[in-house]
Amino acid sequence: QKEVEQDPGPLSVPEGAIVSLNCTYSNSAFQYFMWYRQYSRKGPELLMYTYSSGNKEDGRFTAQVDKSSKYISLFIRDSQPSDSATYLCAMSALSYNTDKLIFGTGTRLQVFP
Amino acid sequence: GAGVSQSPRYKVTKRGQDVALRCDPISGHVSLYWYRQALGQGPEFLTYFNYEAQQDKSGLPNDRFSAERPEGSISTLTIQRTEQRDSAMYRCASSRQGRSTDTQYFGPGTRLTVL
Repeated sequence: QKEVEQDPGPLSVPEGAIVSLNCTYSNSAFQYFMWYRQYSRKGPELLMYTYSSGNKEDGRFTAQVDKSSKYISLFIRDSQPSDSATYLCAMSALSYNTDKLIFGTGTRLQVFP
Repeated sequence: GAGVSQSPRYKVTKRGQDVALRCDPISGHVSLYWYRQALGQGPEFLTYFNYEAQQDKSGLPNDRFSAERPEGSISTLTIQRTEQRDSAMYRCASSRQGRSTDTQYFGPGTRLTVL
């Protein structure tokens, strides 16, 4: 079993829809949770991060973490065609000994006009 | 520089050849990371450096893979005796201060194809 599981999609939604992207994880040592966005033929770029359980909002994006269920979500409100990309969740244990990020497989999102 | 750069952008090689992939991080960034990303997958950690010191190489698949960052800036990932299964996108990232919570900025990647 992978440490981080993410549905690869693709997910296709109309413009203006609310999008929900999710990841589950198995390692209870993970303390730092991130969402990266990756456009086609580009490197991933950080979209949001959070340390703790609860919600964090940034414009149209809301990141949600439920540590008790080992489940994280990214919600996109009023989705736009420019949001079409692959969304990767990533996690870190915040260990003194390593900085490595563990990524999910990515969910490909297509927002059509 | 303006961002992380990698060279070459594309590398095609024959099985059994050695390849060297180069990463030039954002100027002044302490930490440098190497990842491998297969098609339709997320990046998979290989190794990382703080300055010139290799801190974690637990993700390197086997001893054919090695990395160095001798002067704490540019890094080279070397794959010896390449195999077809080594074909993937190799991505480099850098972060400012070497804390695990610092943002990692990714480069455009090197697409390696082993024939």
